Amino acid sequence: AQSVTQLDSHISVSEGTPVLLRCNYSSSYSPSLFWYVQHPNKGLQLLLKYTSAATLVKGINGFEAEFKKSETSFHLTKPSAHMSDAAEYFCVVSPIYNDMRFGAGTRLTVKP
Amino acid sequence: SQTIHQWPATLVQPVGSPLSLECTVEGTSNPNLYWYRQAAGRGLQLLFYSVGIGQISSEVPQNLSASRPQDRQFILSSKKLLLSDSGFYLCAWSVKRGQPQHFGDGTRLSIL
Repeated sequence: AQSVTQLDSHISVSEGTPVLLRCNYSSSYSPSLFWYVQHPNKGLQLLLKYTSAATLVKGINGFEAEFKKSETSFHLTKPSAHMSDAAEYFCVVSPIYNDMRFGAGTRLTVKP
Repeated sequence: SQTIHQWPATLVQPVGSPLSLECTVEGTSNPNLYWYRQAAGRGLQLLFYSVGIGQISSEVPQNLSASRPQDRQFILSSKKLLLSDSGFYLCAWSVKRGQPQHFGDGTRLSIL
């Protein structure tokens, strides 16, 4: 079965410092992987997706993620946090022809 | 471009009352449609999905039901709401299963 584990339920960073949100996945074959962001009382917005092309994926708002098969990881990073990045982030694995499996989410707080 | 609409944005209902939440998608044909519930501080729970008109799959047994009367319309219903039905309900669509899902802005449902 496919699943994702987000290793941190809450991360707090200062504005201008790097962001690292960790995600490990479990899959019997190469899955598609996604990161979504959710601002309060809003729907989820797709940040980026990995679909077996380049292992370093660039997304919107300066975020990127690296697929590491040997570590079964898909961590999300951003070099410099902005106040507007404060939100909930979800790592998602999508098996072929099946529906998405969402992680429990990581809440990112950005301090001024 | 494709858009997804959910309404209402917020809803306050008494226990035992009926429910009808509507979701429509524009700009695409024969989308896969999904209903999720997000309880406070928790991840997403898939409630229903549909691959076509009149085709509904239920993921979780409960007192909710879903219908798809038209290609791009997805309705979530209940005959009698329970306190445990409170939460944030999200509708989403995708081109096909396994592809990225695109979310509406959600409905905040409070049961009194």
